[in-house]
Amino acid sequence: SQKIEQNSEALNIQEGKTATLTCNYTNYSPAYLQWYRQDPGRGPVFLLLIRENEKEKRKERLKVTFDTTLKQSLFHITASQPADSATYLCLTSGANQAGTALIFGKGTTLSVSS
Amino acid sequence: EAQVTQNPRYLITVTGKKLTVTCSQNMNHEYMSWYRQDPGLGLRQIYYSMNVEVTDKGDVPEGYKVSRKEKRNFPLILESPSPNQTSLYFCASRQGRGAYNEQFFGPGTRLTVL
Repeated sequence: SQKIEQNSEALNIQEGKTATLTCNYTNYSPAYLQWYRQDPGRGPVFLLLIRENEKEKRKERLKVTFDTTLKQSLFHITASQPADSATYLCLTSGANQAGTALIFGKGTTLSVSS
Repeated sequence: EAQVTQNPRYLITVTGKKLTVTCSQNMNHEYMSWYRQDPGLGLRQIYYSMNVEVTDKGDVPEGYKVSRKEKRNFPLILESPSPNQTSLYFCASRQGRGAYNEQFFGPGTRLTVL
């Protein structure tokens, strides 16, 4: 079955820098990857979706890339702000077919200092 | 306001005492799901439902039951709770069967089993 790995548990950066978070998958190339933000004690909130035939998606200061050769998705936050401090999670399906269980990575906790 | 609600938000109970955590969504979503979140293990899917009367196991279904008698409700039932079910639980829903669609999460239920 598919495994999702977010290699860094924590990432500390300074305000204004670009944060880059990594999500690696181990088996087949998934049809999509989603990225969520989670604040302490609250439910995750959807940020971006990238499909297997897309190399890059953007939304304001956020950018997601999908590299099927490296089996990796990168999530970038440009011009980071302290308000961006949160845990970021990637998600895909557990098998490459519709109606299957979903798998989250364990998340990377980003801390942006001013 | 479009939302997913969960009740109760906090619950302390004892081993073996049956409990139900309710989940309701007002967005007419077909897909609903339950997750548990534990430190170091991240979010793991317990059960999901593609539509009324259609449910399936996620990654960690042991010790849990669900039912989907109405589209808007997806209760999580612990018939005989044990201390290893102490966790933070999230319900989520999404539009349609399509895995690409974003999930909307409830506020979470913090369960402690003594």
